[in-house]
Amino acid sequence: QVHLQESGPGLVKPSETLSLTCTVSDGSLINYYWTWIRQAPGKGLEWIGYIYYSGTTNYNPSLKSRVTISIDTSKKQFSLKLNSVTAADTAVYYCASFVEAPRPDVFNIWGQGTMVTVSS
Amino acid sequence: QSVLTQPPSVSGAPGQRVTISCTGSSSNIGAGYDVHWYQQLPGTAPKLLIYGHTNRPSGVPERFSASKSGTSASLAITGLQAEDEAEYYCQSYDRSLSAWVFGGGTKLTVL
Repeated sequence: QVHLQESGPGLVKPSETLSLTCTVSDGSLINYYWTWIRQAPGKGLEWIGYIYYSGTTNYNPSLKSRVTISIDTSKKQFSLKLNSVTAADTAVYYCASFVEAPRPDVFNIWGQGTMVTVSS
Repeated sequence: QSVLTQPPSVSGAPGQRVTISCTGSSSNIGAGYDVHWYQQLPGTAPKLLIYGHTNRPSGVPERFSASKSGTSASLAITGLQAEDEAEYYCQSYDRSLSAWVFGGGTKLTVL
């Protein structure tokens, strides 16, 4: 059973860069898409973007200018960087994937989520 | 405001059947993109319930089913149980936004 675990600072200052890492255990990153999704407090889910194991990325156009997703298959990790953050970026950030087949559009495994607060 | 519209809340008594609608447009559901459904219990990550309109992952009870017609989709839960009380989200792709999008979520209350 593949397991995902997010890690990173829980507090980021406005205008700085949010950096999170998702570690994949009990499975391989190869041949799958790896996605970041966030959920603001009391709000719905927002797709941030994905990276394919080969390094191909696709970002939500609403965040594209500020987002970078990278992958390190040797460490079995993929990462999210969101720059120039504001309070509106305060959310629980989830990493997710679909490990039944290489699909970027659906997610059957999720990390537990990590709360990131943007505040000075 | 999501491009996939869900009712904010639905409710039903134990044993009853409830449905949750997800209304989209010709840019998403109506364009033929797959619709997926998730269940989110308070304080936990979403769990995939249905994908590709009708496929249930292993372990999801047959009480959960989904359908799609035109620009809308719906999730049906039969034999409602107390543990079904959760937030439910639909998800699809929107070609106008060039992004995967989620509905606003529906809170299911088991009376």
